[in-house]
Amino acid sequence: DTEVTQTPKHLVMGMTNKKSLKCEQHMGHRAMYWYKQKAKKPPELMFVYSYEKLSINESVPSRFSPECPNSSLLNLHLHALQPEDSALYLCASSQDDSSNQPQHFGDGTRLSIL
Amino acid sequence: GEDVEQSLFLSVREGDSSVINCTYTDSSSTYLYWYKQEPGAGLQLLTYIFSNMDMKQDQRLTVLLNKKDKHLSLRIADTQTGDSAIYFCAEVMNRDDKIIFGKGTRLHILP
Repeated sequence: DTEVTQTPKHLVMGMTNKKSLKCEQHMGHRAMYWYKQKAKKPPELMFVYSYEKLSINESVPSRFSPECPNSSLLNLHLHALQPEDSALYLCASSQDDSSNQPQHFGDGTRLSIL
Repeated sequence: GEDVEQSLFLSVREGDSSVINCTYTDSSSTYLYWYKQEPGAGLQLLTYIFSNMDMKQDQRLTVLLNKKDKHLSLRIADTQTGDSAIYFCAEVMNRDDKIIFGKGTRLHILP
């Protein structure tokens, strides 16, 4: 069981579609993260939210748009994605964004772009 | 560079001990982590060690840290079929608190 919940578990979309990935945690964590993981690779950081404000954007293309509506929720809005964006998208949270707080991961959303 | 190095594959007989090794780059890293990823799942935090420790034991898991050589290992005692997964070593960079993952070690359990 994971304390970070991601929906949907799987998503197939066309390059012209608009969809959103959702992440929720109720551990009172104030830092939340989006990672992208390609097959047989480690996760790569995309975005970090700290106290509901975007603190890190790792030069992610604008077709990915994060949103943090409140301290428990993190969304990733998708629009006009490319086939190479197919991957496992992982959400994580931690107490805060300092180095001494481990990150807890959700099970991810497996995204396929047709 | 910022590479965390791990061997990509380890094969162990059920009941034996598994030892997964990792080398990291930032000698001032404060925390080092081991994550487990089963097929189709996210990363599960297995254990972590603070940089002022040499060893940490948690049930079947033993983490050893050699700061001089920047070497970290994870020992799983009495390896079970449920331990079959990819194990990621990760360090937190002291300068920016970013977590850097190794490429992961796939642990295969032989009957």
